[in-house]
Amino acid sequence: AQTVTQSQPEMSVQEAETVTLSCTYDTSESDYYLFWYKQPPSRQMILVIRQEAYKQQNATENRFSVNFQKAAKSFSLKISDSQLGDAAMYFCAYKNTGGFKTIFGAGTRLFVKA
Amino acid sequence: GAVVSQHPSWVICKSGTSVKIECRSLDFQATTMFWYRQFPKQSLMLMATSNEGSKATYEQGVEKDKFLINHASLTLSTLTVTSAHPEDSSFYICSARADRNQETQYFGPGTRLLVL
Repeated sequence: AQTVTQSQPEMSVQEAETVTLSCTYDTSESDYYLFWYKQPPSRQMILVIRQEAYKQQNATENRFSVNFQKAAKSFSLKISDSQLGDAAMYFCAYKNTGGFKTIFGAGTRLFVKA
Repeated sequence: GAVVSQHPSWVICKSGTSVKIECRSLDFQATTMFWYRQFPKQSLMLMATSNEGSKATYEQGVEKDKFLINHASLTLSTLTVTSAHPEDSSFYICSARADRNQETQYFGPGTRLLVL
């Protein structure tokens, strides 16, 4: 069975600085998707970024980028120029291509200091 | 695009009553929707997968008679918590998978249920 591990329950970053959130996963599949979701205090889950496993190029969305290391089964999220609005819970997630379920990690709470 | 709504956002009910939560995909068709439960400061726990026109698939440990799911159309799924008890108080989140892009889920804003 696939698992997703987020080893950092909490992280803190100074406004305008860069922070990296860690995520590792375990799977025997070769074709899958990885996601980072943001859950702000409103609790609305928002898709931040998506990575397809067959693509070697790391996904980027404005200030958000990932470091996808397929062999190491690692999928970290880098937030550049952190803003107060980035404060939230961040969930790493995994899904087999063509599969039904998305598996979520335990989450990392990010605090942004002004 | 890819907006999912949930109604109500907040509900308080008495123990023993039933509560219905609606999940709608507003601008896309969704054959498959998912219902999650989230406890404070925890991750999402998948309760069931809802498929349009067929019975929902429940995760192990989730009582299907307690949590009734109906996916009557390509844009609407409902979760009914029957004979609610205080331990059912939680945050319930639905998500939908667009038929045109089945690899990504889009989430509703969630429903906070408090059973007195």
